[in-house]
Amino acid sequence: EVQLVESGGGLVQPGGSLRLSCAASGFTFSSYWMSWVRQAPGKGLEWVANIKQDGSEKYYVDSVKGRFTISRDNAKNSLYLQMNSLRAEDTAVYYCARVTELSFDIWGQGTMVTVSS
Amino acid sequence: QSALTQPASVSGSPGQSITISCTGTSSDVGSYNLVSWYQQHPGKAPKLMIYEGSKRPSGVSNRFSGSKSGNTASLTISGLQAEDEADYYCCSYAGSSTFYVFGTGTKVTVL
Repeated sequence: EVQLVESGGGLVQPGGSLRLSCAASGFTFSSYWMSWVRQAPGKGLEWVANIKQDGSEKYYVDSVKGRFTISRDNAKNSLYLQMNSLRAEDTAVYYCARVTELSFDIWGQGTMVTVSS
Repeated sequence: QSALTQPASVSGSPGQSITISCTGTSSDVGSYNLVSWYQQHPGKAPKLMIYEGSKRPSGVSNRFSGSKSGNTASLTISGLQAEDEADYYCCSYAGSSTFYVFGTGTKVTVL
């Protein structure tokens, strides 16, 4: 079964850091671009970051540039999102998603990140 | 990059057809035939329903169809069913700097 499972969310104070993980199974992880997409409570979806199959290209939405870092370990079939200097507006459910034909065809169940003092 | 514009809500009776619009600009929807649509039930992850404007992934009902005209993409649900009640989001590729922009979302209600 093709599956993505996120972990690492939680409560963190403003200015703090958190590292999200996404474990992939059921497909050849190293063959796909991967993304992080987030959804603030009661709000819409927002693309956060993309990473190429070999990790050589990474792209970010402007609001997280310089604070978030996307990475992957193809040997471990895992995707990561290192989040630093967190702000209240980063509070959201974070989904990892597989990219196929420039669309997000497989999604994880999401992990909640709450930034609050 | 601003979010694509969708109506906040659309409703219809079982068996009817409804259409959700998704309006962007010449920098996103108008420049690429790369609009995708996602269905999201409350508390669940989004599900891909349409990609590349009008293609359906395996397993998605043929009651769902997509189209585009100029800067506006559309999702049509025909033969509306109770299980179609959900939030729907469009998304467009917007080039190698912006990458992706999502729509504001539309709540579909089956009356």
